[in-house]
Amino acid sequence: DSGVTQTPKHLITATGQRVTLRCSPRSGDLSVYWYQQSLDQGLQFLIQYYNGEERAKGNILERFSAQQFPDLHSELNLSSLELGDSALYFCASSEGLAGLNGELFFGEGSRLTVL
Amino acid sequence: AQKVTQAQTEISVVEKEDVTLDCVYETRDTTYYLFWYKQPPSGELVFLIRRNSFDEQNEISGRYSWNFQKSTSSFNFTITASQVVDSAVYFCALSEVEEGGSEKLVFGKGMKLTVNP
Repeated sequence: DSGVTQTPKHLITATGQRVTLRCSPRSGDLSVYWYQQSLDQGLQFLIQYYNGEERAKGNILERFSAQQFPDLHSELNLSSLELGDSALYFCASSEGLAGLNGELFFGEGSRLTVL
Repeated sequence: AQKVTQAQTEISVVEKEDVTLDCVYETRDTTYYLFWYKQPPSGELVFLIRRNSFDEQNEISGRYSWNFQKSTSSFNFTITASQVVDSAVYFCALSEVEEGGSEKLVFGKGMKLTVNP
């Protein structure tokens, strides 16, 4: 158990809909990262928040948005969903801003299926 | 841009065979970190190892060993005497530093290992 909690574990929805994925980082971790894992693109970095502020942005679509709340949990919002958004979405956390001299702790992922 | 290449996409071996997973990376940074993660069929990502760019000493942990060679930009992973439980997708990753000091992991495409009994 990494200590990172993601909900829901599985989600099935229709095209055009909007969903919210939630992540609670490990206790004490200030950084939250979101990754998307799809069959054709592999693991893609989406976005990072540190202590409530956006710090790095990757290949995140404009239809997607995220935020980190004062209690440090984070939400990833996916809207106007398309079939190609079906993927496993991972949240990870680390203690600091440059946490990779330590370790990135991953949650179990939220599997999104868009029908 | 930094890049991680795992040339093998899928390997199938018989139990007790040794298997090496290749990873080649590209970076302009002098300080960087390399990682291996395991993703079993259950889907979670399991951290295996982190190595910084200044430490080229090879590491062994049980049946796992890692060979870091800066000269060839490679960080290969060997499983000795493979077991069925080693069946998983293995990812190599490289840390990438963003402006402002933030870091993120850049992953290779992954390599699916199947160990047959």
